[in-house]
Amino acid sequence: GENVEQHPSTLSVQEGDSAVIKCTYSDSASNYFPWYKQELGKGPQLIIDIRSNVGEKKDQRIAVTLNKTAKHFSLHITETQPEDSAVYFCAASPNTGKLIFGQGTTLQVKP
Amino acid sequence: DSGVTQTPKHLITATGQRVTLRCSPRSGDLSVYWYQQSLDQGLQFLIQYYNGEERAKGNILERFSAQQFPDLHSELNLSSLELGDSALYFCASSVGPGGTEAFFGQGTRLTVV
Repeated sequence: GENVEQHPSTLSVQEGDSAVIKCTYSDSASNYFPWYKQELGKGPQLIIDIRSNVGEKKDQRIAVTLNKTAKHFSLHITETQPEDSAVYFCAASPNTGKLIFGQGTTLQVKP
Repeated sequence: DSGVTQTPKHLITATGQRVTLRCSPRSGDLSVYWYQQSLDQGLQFLIQYYNGEERAKGNILERFSAQQFPDLHSELNLSSLELGDSALYFCASSVGPGGTEAFFGQGTRLTVV
């Protein structure tokens, strides 16, 4: 069935280091892959997304890569800052309206 | 602020009761999505409406129903509530029907006692 696996479940880095979160999806029809950041007490915030016809997308300190053959996509955050601390969710969608979310990664950036 | 408004922010009710959660999408968005977030299940898709019509359905319980009104706001109705229904309920909206660039509201925290 439809499934998105996300790793790691927790990630702790020093301020200034890079953080990488990886996801694997099962539905080969998936063609849209967003990443959301959720801070405590708030709703998920869309931070970057990528479509299946693109291999990489970058927005300042955030980048996402997609390997459709392997059904993998990853979020890369460079020069991490304490305000990057949050729960990050990957998701996959076959453009049907439904987003299948990973289980989330709690990122802690230590000052 | 995503522009998606959900009310109420918190709701405490007893088992067996019925509640209605409300969502106003961002201006110009035609799609509304409902998600449930619990500690053990993560973010689960419930249902989507696009321009007033049901578009996609997830594992939504029969005790739950939703609708989207002509002004595009949406309501999620939860009935015969059980302790296990306690969760965060999020509404999201997007311009098109495909689920892309969906923006989430702040959520409604439902506690069933």
